Amino acid sequence: GESVGLHLPTLSVQEGDNSIINCAYSNSASDYFIWYKQESGKGPQFIIDIRSNMDKRQGQRVTVLLNKTVKHLSLQIAATQPGDSAVYFCADDSGGYQKVTFGTGTKLQVIP
Amino acid sequence: DAGVIQSPRHEVTEMGQEVTLRCKPISGHDYLFWYRQTMMRGLELLIYFNNNVPIDDSGMPEDRFSAKMPNASFSTLKIQPSEPRDSAVYFCASSPSTGLAHGELFFGEGSRLTVL
Repeated sequence: GESVGLHLPTLSVQEGDNSIINCAYSNSASDYFIWYKQESGKGPQFIIDIRSNMDKRQGQRVTVLLNKTVKHLSLQIAATQPGDSAVYFCADDSGGYQKVTFGTGTKLQVIP
Repeated sequence: DAGVIQSPRHEVTEMGQEVTLRCKPISGHDYLFWYRQTMMRGLELLIYFNNNVPIDDSGMPEDRFSAKMPNASFSTLKIQPSEPRDSAVYFCASSPSTGLAHGELFFGEGSRLTVL
């Protein structure tokens, strides 16, 4: 039969607004979490990371929040720009050191 | 600085043919990874090397897949014989062993493989 692909969740945001992309993880032993951005036709690109002993980390226009109680990770993008349009993946080290395991991704669409 | 370089960018082949994908990691990076990306399964780790030695190949789908890293600046991923279900984008990534966050991988632009 015909195969069905993954349906990526899509977040549509007006240019200039803040974006929040969420991710749930399953392995409570995960120690390290990373967000990657993948633009169309390109490889994933590292954005920001956070260790399990932290609950918040800020970068340039981005903030990652970690809630270990509910195994939830979020990426906040301030003042979203058209160049932020991409698929965003959360990832962790649940597979072991240097073995990065990726989630399914969220597509961010920025409306000009 | 040059990033991770992959070739070919696109390949279309017929079922049963041998496919060889190539990767040049960033100079000085000790780790090299091969990932496969499909709509069905997302990004999957196939195999990774440390200092040219394969460390974990548990993600390699079957014996038709093999990977080598003869030196620090070159790796290949070979599929023989290829099948339509191997159609995907194959990414190579490299990472330094120290200094940067240990999950920060530097990806190439990928090789899009279509097997007819």
